[in-house]
Amino acid sequence: AQRVTQPEKLLSVFKGAPVELKCNYSYSGSPELFWYVQYSRQRLQLLLRHISRESIKGFTADLNKGETSFHLKKPFAQEEDSAMYYCALRRQTGANNLFFGTGTRLTVIP
Amino acid sequence: KAGVTQTPRYLIKTRGQQVTLSCSPISGHRSVSWYQQTPGQGLQFLFEYFSETQRNKGNFPGRFSGRQFSNSRSEMNVSTLELGDSALYLCASSPSGEGRDSPLHFGNGTRLTVT
Repeated sequence: AQRVTQPEKLLSVFKGAPVELKCNYSYSGSPELFWYVQYSRQRLQLLLRHISRESIKGFTADLNKGETSFHLKKPFAQEEDSAMYYCALRRQTGANNLFFGTGTRLTVIP
Repeated sequence: KAGVTQTPRYLIKTRGQQVTLSCSPISGHRSVSWYQQTPGQGLQFLFEYFSETQRNKGNFPGRFSGRQFSNSRSEMNVSTLELGDSALYLCASSPSGEGRDSPLHFGNGTRLTVT
């Protein structure tokens, strides 16, 4: 079975400080990992995915298969980063559905 | 391109009634998935449709059903509503739903309240 764990429900950091949102997963195969973000009164939207190995809005995330983690990082938090962040896993084959973590609400304090 | 469109935005129903929610995917997207979002359970997968066929199903009772039309639009139906069905129902579409270049794009959701 697959499972996504986001240990922090709430995370507050000061503007300009580094931020790391943790995500751990369990899955016996090779998963695809995603980070989705939901800003206030907006729809859930894709932030980044591990296969792209890209930086979006200054955020990066590296898939660590040894530690089964996909932590989201940004060196300098901005106020506009305040949002709900969800880590999600898609299995390697056979299905298009995502398994979501419970989410972390990030608040960036000015 | 227009995004994923869900209607209606809000619904209030009574226990025992049934409800139908609608989702129009992004143009050209053939895969439509439905998710239920609640404070207690978070985001949970309901089912996925591709080319008018249910391709995958989550762990929800048979009261939850769906279908997809030839234009890829999808509907979700919940019969014999229970108080616990109160939730935000999200629809997501993707181009093919296969392979590693098919991320999901979500709609704004339909907020269902069962009284």
